[in-house]
Amino acid sequence: DTAVSQTPKYLVTQMGNDKSIKCEQNLGHDTMYWYKQDSKKFLKIMFSYNNKELIINETVPNRFSPKSPDKAHLNLHINSLELGDSAVYFCASSQFAGGRETQYFGPGTRLLVL
Amino acid sequence: EDKVVQSPLSLVVHEGDTVTLNCSYEVTNFRSLLWYKQEKKAPTFLFMLTSSGIEKKSGRLSSILDKKELFSILNITATQTGDSAVYLCAVEDYSGAGSYQLTFGKGTKLSVIP
Repeated sequence: DTAVSQTPKYLVTQMGNDKSIKCEQNLGHDTMYWYKQDSKKFLKIMFSYNNKELIINETVPNRFSPKSPDKAHLNLHINSLELGDSAVYFCASSQFAGGRETQYFGPGTRLLVL
Repeated sequence: EDKVVQSPLSLVVHEGDTVTLNCSYEVTNFRSLLWYKQEKKAPTFLFMLTSSGIEKKSGRLSSILDKKELFSILNITATQTGDSAVYLCAVEDYSGAGSYQLTFGKGTKLSVIP
């Protein structure tokens, strides 16, 4: 009965590889997000997406790309992985876009690039 | 069953009031508890608590953790309209294999009216 789920939970990979993290929400929400959590626990937004608009944080390298096959899914593709990409990535969703809409977070995916 | 429960889910107060937000949790290998303020884009990190009874303070905000009773409170004194936001509690627990996971509560939506 998980609201927002992510797979895999852990991902260990070599530098230079291409990988994907999947996110699914069963809440019927319109907007989904990807965050990167840094070592200081700060959550940095990477993308927000609904069926009308993709908003990209300009600081995100173009090696990162979101792919949404349907409203319930927003997958994160990462090309040419670098050591600095190692972090925990969180997916979230909200009913509507907007700063004060409650966001429901997934359990996170811990990515380790060797 | 939710591992992190926040209460109340929403709260409306007048400017100048003091509010207390609650977060209770149930995890096996507790590592830390985090508070975030979400008002615009990404949640803003407020506090990280690891030890019981030690109050963390930042301006009008303060927070304390009780690891025996498994809860934390976030206090905001002399509230201002700029405090209106969703406040998220998240708990970090050790999930084995040298890693940890972060579980978010559903948030408390605070509205401060002039």
